[in-house]
Amino acid sequence: KNEVEQSPQNLTAQEGEFITINCSYSVGISALHWLQQHPGGGIVSLFMLSSGKKKHGRLIATINIQEKHSSLHITASHPRDSAVYICAVRSFTGANSKLTFGKGITLSVRP
Amino acid sequence: DVKVTQSSRYLVKRTGEKVFLECVQDMDHENMFWYRQDPGLGLRLIYFSYDVKMKEKGDIPEGYSVSREKKERFSLILESASTNQTSMYLCASTKMSAYSNQPQHFGDGTRLSIL
Repeated sequence: KNEVEQSPQNLTAQEGEFITINCSYSVGISALHWLQQHPGGGIVSLFMLSSGKKKHGRLIATINIQEKHSSLHITASHPRDSAVYICAVRSFTGANSKLTFGKGITLSVRP
Repeated sequence: DVKVTQSSRYLVKRTGEKVFLECVQDMDHENMFWYRQDPGLGLRLIYFSYDVKMKEKGDIPEGYSVSREKKERFSLILESASTNQTSMYLCASTKMSAYSNQPQHFGDGTRLSIL
């Protein structure tokens, strides 16, 4: 079983819809990352959080440490939000501890 | 802004060739990583380096080696390329910190095809 599970696997939405992408993990972590990958490959870090909630523009990320669960919300979705969204966690151990990645969610937002 | 530059966006090589993928970062980051990304499998760590000439195996190091002679440059080497190494390869870097989490900064990726 993968340590990081994302759901749903693929998601299609209509422009303007509110979108939620989920991430569950099974290990103790020091931080959780949300990453965005557009067609063509480059990956951008959206959020890094260890507790609570962060907001940037139309994107909101939340984490519940007790439930080992995080959500990424997109408000007023737009076709340019179409991308793969990847959740990754960093375990507690050491300054050089590695990230463990989920398989990613492919989001398509239709105009 | 941090810039992580990978030498090629697309690369086509033949089975048995020795292949070099280069990655350079411009923010004096201590940690550098090489990942491969395959459909349905997500990102998997091949090797990482936390200092010059230091390296550690990731989850899938077989068939690969790495070189870090200078802090800003981390090279991935396919000693004898095989078709199952056809993939997207991504380099990342991050500042080392024992006290706080640091984001990873990614390059644009190299799509490598082995024929």
